Amino acid sequence: DTEVTQTPKHLVMGMTNKKSLKCEQHMGHRAMYWYKQKAKKPPELMFVYSYEKLSINESVPSRFSPECPNSSLLNLHLHALQPEDSALYLCASSQKGQITGELFFGEGSRLTVL
Amino acid sequence: AQSVTQPDIHITVSEGASLELRCNYSYGATPYLFWYVQSPGQGLQLLLKYFSGDTLVQGIKGFEAEFKRSQSSFNLRKPSVHWSDAAEYFCAVGVIGSGGSNYKLTFGKGTLLTVNP
Repeated sequence: DTEVTQTPKHLVMGMTNKKSLKCEQHMGHRAMYWYKQKAKKPPELMFVYSYEKLSINESVPSRFSPECPNSSLLNLHLHALQPEDSALYLCASSQKGQITGELFFGEGSRLTVL
Repeated sequence: AQSVTQPDIHITVSEGASLELRCNYSYGATPYLFWYVQSPGQGLQLLLKYFSGDTLVQGIKGFEAEFKRSQSSFNLRKPSVHWSDAAEYFCAVGVIGSGGSNYKLTFGKGTLLTVNP
């Protein structure tokens, strides 16, 4: 099993809503990532969790709140978002300790903020 | 700081023709290099990777890439393109933070490949 599963695939929310994106992997990977990708742009790193601890926050606004409940799950909590936050949100994992490893990506959650 | 440059924003080739997508990197140490492919609305799929050793690496779907340290390049090639290869291609460099932790990938801006029948 080499999959990273993201739910929901599509999400539409208003600027006052609170929603969450979920990511799950069962490859035993100990590093998990959130990337944001706008249309026709490359993925941009948001957060990295290593052994369930936040290790990188790329100066992301506080309206995005990550959470790593255990080694298999990664959430991204969304609150008071802006229309410009509409994007494809990609989750990825890699095998910590194998510091040269590739990232395995999910298919993404496409978020639209109205 | 590390960076990845993909000089070509959009390339169009005919089906059956050969393909080369360019990638240049800037990184102080030995880079860990990757090529990913993304179909519209999908996630990223790894095509191939270079860590060390043989500078010509083989990947999935008939792709290969050659690492040239002297040119700071990692170009992707395919001898005969299929219509299903139409997609966005991203070159990426793996970077290790201070203390050997905080590994992350930094992506180039991507090259959109169109395949004509």
